Amino acid sequence: NAGVTQTPKFQVLKTGQSMTLQCAQDMNHEYMSWYRQDPGMGLRLIHYSVGAGITDQGEVPNGYNVSRSTTEDFPLRLLSAAPSQTSVYFCASRRTTGGGIQYFGAGTRLSVL
Amino acid sequence: EDQVTQSPEALRLQEGESSSLNCSYTVSGLRGLFWYRQDPGKGPEFLFTLYSAGEEKEKERLKATLTKKESFLHITAPKPEDSATYLCAGYNTDKLIFGTGTRLQVFP
Repeated sequence: NAGVTQTPKFQVLKTGQSMTLQCAQDMNHEYMSWYRQDPGMGLRLIHYSVGAGITDQGEVPNGYNVSRSTTEDFPLRLLSAAPSQTSVYFCASRRTTGGGIQYFGAGTRLSVL
Repeated sequence: EDQVTQSPEALRLQEGESSSLNCSYTVSGLRGLFWYRQDPGKGPEFLFTLYSAGEEKEKERLKATLTKKESFLHITAPKPEDSATYLCAGYNTDKLIFGTGTRLQVFP
């Protein structure tokens, strides 16, 4: 019963490096999203997708790219990492209809030096 | 601007000491109010969804209520295992708008 799986769990990058945070769900959910969580700021939406081939920006999209080629996967790409992107990143998924419950992954803790 | 505000930021309770967490919201076209529990180092875990003013939901020692302006999470006779951060979120079209959470510590 995997749910939402995020990899890696921890990552340290140097400024300017690029990387991809992976997210996969096995619940056949149409909607997937990425959040970042910072102390005192709560969870903020980065990007979201309502289905394969469809993505849209959230509250804090700058510096991040996403794509959705399959229902199951929703990777988040950091193009050129900056210290301001040090955060905990959560992927989430839910059904599109009925205001469904959003299920979260365990998170990726990213430090950019 | 849509906003969700939680209070207090932190709460320390003795085991068995009941209390309430507050979530006030200004979310246009609110379609639901969610409560989540988050343990250190883990992702948020769903607790409740409330859809209309006057609605109440219960789970073990927790009860969530909703008015037109705020929601409360009542904790009755808490135990140390209830220690966690509790997050509130308003659901609006495609987005959840989160508060910053209340960090609850329950001491034996």
